[in-house]
Amino acid sequence: AQSVTQPDIHITVSEGASLELRCNYSYGATPYLFWYVQSPGQGLQLLLKYFSGDTLVQGIKGFEAEFKRSQSSFNLRKPSVHWSDAAEYFCAVAKEYGNKLVFGAGTILRVKS
Amino acid sequence: EAGVTQFPSHSVIEKGQTVTLRCDPISGHDNLYWYRRVMGKEIKFLLHFVKESKQDESGMPNNRFLAERTGGTYSTLKVQPAELEDSGVYFCASSQRSRGGGYTFGSGTRLTVV
Repeated sequence: AQSVTQPDIHITVSEGASLELRCNYSYGATPYLFWYVQSPGQGLQLLLKYFSGDTLVQGIKGFEAEFKRSQSSFNLRKPSVHWSDAAEYFCAVAKEYGNKLVFGAGTILRVKS
Repeated sequence: EAGVTQFPSHSVIEKGQTVTLRCDPISGHDNLYWYRRVMGKEIKFLLHFVKESKQDESGMPNNRFLAERTGGTYSTLKVQPAELEDSGVYFCASSQRSRGGGYTFGSGTRLTVV
């Protein structure tokens, strides 16, 4: 069965600092990979996705993620964090497009000024 | 384009009562999914519709949960009778049949069973 690991439950970074959120998945083939963000009181918003092709994908709000097949990872990065980025971030995978998403446990990002 | 709409946004019911959650997907999205997040736990898949048909209901916890999707449009998720452990946030998502966009989520329904 597929599984997704987000090893960091909480991360605190200073405003303006760089950010990397880790995500590892367990699946034999290349799955469909997603990052979502949930701000307080809001639903899940899609930041970016990877299906195939260029392994570095750009998303909204200045986020990017890199797919590394050899490490079964899909880490999310942002060069300079803003206070408004404080939220919970979820990595998710699907075996095929249209199939159910399997989510990681989430990483809560706190931004200190 | 309108997003995925869920209502109610909050519901507080007593144990043993019935609650019905509704989800309106994005128009034209054949795929509709229900997920649940119980406090402190991961977001878990409940079931997947393709149009009006149940494609995958492997995540439904027990027979107290009944999901329907009338005419392949909106969907309802009924919990009858509700138990304390059913409390959590219920998310709905939709996606197109063709590969392309992501899965669009609604804002969720926070269900509290007391």
